Amino acid sequence: VQLQESGPGLVRPSETLSLTCTVSGYPISTNPYWGWIRQSPQKGLEWIGSVSQSGDTYYNPSLMRRVTISADTSKNQFSLKLGSVTAADTATYYCVRGLSSPGAAGIWGQGTRVTVSS
Amino acid sequence: EVVLTQSPGTLSLSPGERVTLSCRASQPVTNNYLAWFRQKPGQSPRLLIYGASNRDVGVSDKFSGSGSGTDFTLSISRLDPEDFAVYYCQQYGTSPYTFGPGTKVDIK
Repeated sequence: VQLQESGPGLVRPSETLSLTCTVSGYPISTNPYWGWIRQSPQKGLEWIGSVSQSGDTYYNPSLMRRVTISADTSKNQFSLKLGSVTAADTATYYCVRGLSSPGAAGIWGQGTRVTVSS
Repeated sequence: EVVLTQSPGTLSLSPGERVTLSCRASQPVTNNYLAWFRQKPGQSPRLLIYGASNRDVGVSDKFSGSGSGTDFTLSISRLDPEDFAVYYCQQYGTSPYTFGPGTKVDIK
């Protein structure tokens, strides 16, 4: 199983950050959970949210009002949208595969650096 | 929110030494859903231990996890060069799922 994040490396303040995770070697429809985690020097590792194989979503309450995670089984991808970004959202974003819980992170993508700046 | 505290913040050790890292939770971790990760510089975290004491597939048996409730430990029986890295614990039993701040193991 391999996970690969893709998306813009620079996002303007107040705009929406959009990332896609492409999964290879494993159908996303057969795994319980797929999620997003970010890492910054200021906040460390932070769980953002997850989507289940049935399409249920789970979000960090601190980000819930700005986050949408969805899956596209036809493309074997899942995506993250984070709205109204500020400099505090600058981080490396990882997509992950989880098994036993929406918060589990068994396999990680290589990560993509996103900077929020004008 | 379950707050995880890791100690110590940094350890300076020599190759071949044994090390024990600590992770303490502010409240009991549901189902002992506690994981340990190793992150080498410039790389993604790599899962070592899940469910407090289960090694992930392909993880060396020099790594062992123990503990329950609020106190957990990760032991490395013999430090190899690739083990000088940052180690994080994570609880994935109660949302929001949280990580500790990490323990850095560097070469003395």
